[in-house]
Amino acid sequence: EIVLTQSPATLSLSPGERATLSCRASQSISSYLAWYQQKPGQAPRLLFYDASNRATGIPARFSGSGSGTDFTLTISSLEPEDFAVYYCQQRTNWPPMITFGPGTKVDIK
Amino acid sequence: QVQLQESDPGLVKPSQTLSLTCTVSGGSISSGSYYWSWIRQSAGKGLEWIGRIYTSGSTSYNPSLKSRVTISMDTSKNQFSLKLTSVTAADTAVYYCALQLGYFDYWGQGALVTVSS
Repeated sequence: EIVLTQSPATLSLSPGERATLSCRASQSISSYLAWYQQKPGQAPRLLFYDASNRATGIPARFSGSGSGTDFTLTISSLEPEDFAVYYCQQRTNWPPMITFGPGTKVDIK
Repeated sequence: QVQLQESDPGLVKPSQTLSLTCTVSGGSISSGSYYWSWIRQSAGKGLEWIGRIYTSGSTSYNPSLKSRVTISMDTSKNQFSLKLTSVTAADTAVYYCALQLGYFDYWGQGALVTVSS
């Protein structure tokens, strides 16, 4: 099973600052990685698919990059609504398996 | 716009079977090339993919749960369902149904299931 590790576990920043979140896979997953944002009491929301493709309606201040085993989600300038938990997720086609990372919480400093 | 809504079983006793249904609106579960998935989220294990059913009816399950899980679909009601047998306290979680186009593009709001006597 492919294991995803996210760092840091918590990121304390102020509005307007830049956030850099990391996701590392235990083996190469090419670009089969997604990023989600989750706010309290809500389901996760898809931000990026295939590592760097922004989902519909996601603001341009969010960017995703990486391939192989190392991936990054960057928020260029934090808005108040960006304080949330962010998860990465990988998928393998055969055998079919999906795993999520443990999440990075971005909270207000 | 596709919308998904989980049923709400609430409390389930240990050793019993957890049953959840996801009602889909705004699209047909039997058309297109889509996967309809179940995912759960608990404090102890984070987000965990349980399994999925394809529009054709074929299924795939997380190996860690495979012996206890069945996912099925009822096209006449535009619903798909999850059954998890022999539950324990470790199965207490928020259960989500989701539509997987490539990734999980649409989610239900989630249903809290508590396993307790």
